[in-house]
Amino acid sequence: ELKVEQNPLFLSMQEGKNYTIYCNYSTTSDRLYWYRQDPGKSLESLFVLLSNGAVKQEGRLMASLDTKARLSTLHITAAVHDLSATYFCAVDNFNKFYFGSGTKLNVKP
Amino acid sequence: KAGVTQTPRYLIKTRGQQVTLSCSPISGHRSVSWYQQTPGQGLQFLFEYFSETQRNKGNFPGRFSGRQFSNSRSEMNVSTLELGDSALYLCASSLDGRGLNEQFFGPGTRLTVL
Repeated sequence: ELKVEQNPLFLSMQEGKNYTIYCNYSTTSDRLYWYRQDPGKSLESLFVLLSNGAVKQEGRLMASLDTKARLSTLHITAAVHDLSATYFCAVDNFNKFYFGSGTKLNVKP
Repeated sequence: KAGVTQTPRYLIKTRGQQVTLSCSPISGHRSVSWYQQTPGQGLQFLFEYFSETQRNKGNFPGRFSGRQFSNSRSEMNVSTLELGDSALYLCASSLDGRGLNEQFFGPGTRLTVL
């Protein structure tokens, strides 16, 4: 079965700092997704990455995909408190979605 | 455009009972997927329906079943509830479910089994 590993699982960072969340997966796939989940809420789609080398940016978040390395990254630039949430990556393998464990991000003022 | 809706939002049941959860996708979306989210196991794929047919299935016992209606609304049923079935159940809809389109998630149904 496809495995999706995220790290770190917990991330506490200061406002204004940069950091990267990593998402590794165990089998070939060229479709990867990033979601955000606030406490008690559902998942919000952030990025859809559909090919090797895909890079997408929205505000302070930038996601990239390297299908050869089976790795996606979510880079946070100059973090602000509003980015505090849990971030999930998910891999689509023949229309089955496999999620990582999530990275709980806490941005401290 | 209305988002994905799920009913009920909260549910409390006892062991051995059965439960039915409902999901209405975004208008025009034909694929509906169901997920179970627990603190221990994280987000796990249950099944996906497209055009009233189950197209994919995760690794859950047969107590978990679902169906999709002609208007793309979907229901999932869990029979003979166990304590471990307590979870947030999320459904997600997409245009065709082939991964080329985003999945949009509903607010979830929080099921507590006592």
